[in-house]
Amino acid sequence: GEDVEQSLFLSVREGDSSVINCTYTDSSSTYLYWYKQEPGAGLQLLTYIFSNMDMKQDQRLTVLLNKKDKHLSLRIADTQTGDSAIYFCAEIITSGTYKYIFGTGTRLKVLA
Amino acid sequence: KAGVTQTPRYLIKTRGQQVTLSCSPISGHRSVSWYQQTPGQGLQFLFEYFSETQRNKGNFPGRFSGRQFSNSRSEMNVSTLELGDSALYLCASSSGTDYNEQFFGPGTRLTVL
Repeated sequence: GEDVEQSLFLSVREGDSSVINCTYTDSSSTYLYWYKQEPGAGLQLLTYIFSNMDMKQDQRLTVLLNKKDKHLSLRIADTQTGDSAIYFCAEIITSGTYKYIFGTGTRLKVLA
Repeated sequence: KAGVTQTPRYLIKTRGQQVTLSCSPISGHRSVSWYQQTPGQGLQFLFEYFSETQRNKGNFPGRFSGRQFSNSRSEMNVSTLELGDSALYLCASSSGTDYNEQFFGPGTRLTVL
């Protein structure tokens, strides 16, 4: 089946690291993505990882992929109040079709 | 390069009416996808158009329809509006090939009274 799950809320203190987790079910996913949505705005692509990679680092962002467990995580180092937003993971399914499946979204709240 | 634009940004309609939303993708992108976002259901895929053809469809009733023009601009139509159609409607464009990422517009906030 096609399902992407995330925890709904995460609260961290400014300066700490945030880790947002995601599990997906389609093993044929080729790319996995992380998007950020600020209030009243559309989704902004943060980073993505190809399925044959275990890790990708991009400035304060680190993506870890455990393909065996179908688990994806996004770590934000030195979290700032401007990082407060909803974070969505997404997978792209290409077997027999071509579509994106989005997770339920994790609302990150950064406390000053 | 201009981003994805959606018009209008806000819309208020009453039950039973119909509505048309518009999306202009990034220049050169041939794929346009539509999503409905609500607090309770999250981000739900409506449909995707690629080169004027509907390529994928989500699980929405036939009241939701769309089309894509030769310049890749897309419109989404909802007929016989219901209160539950109140949502943020997001449009995303991509090249449609090679698993490229989607770029989202700011959305159209539809309120049905």
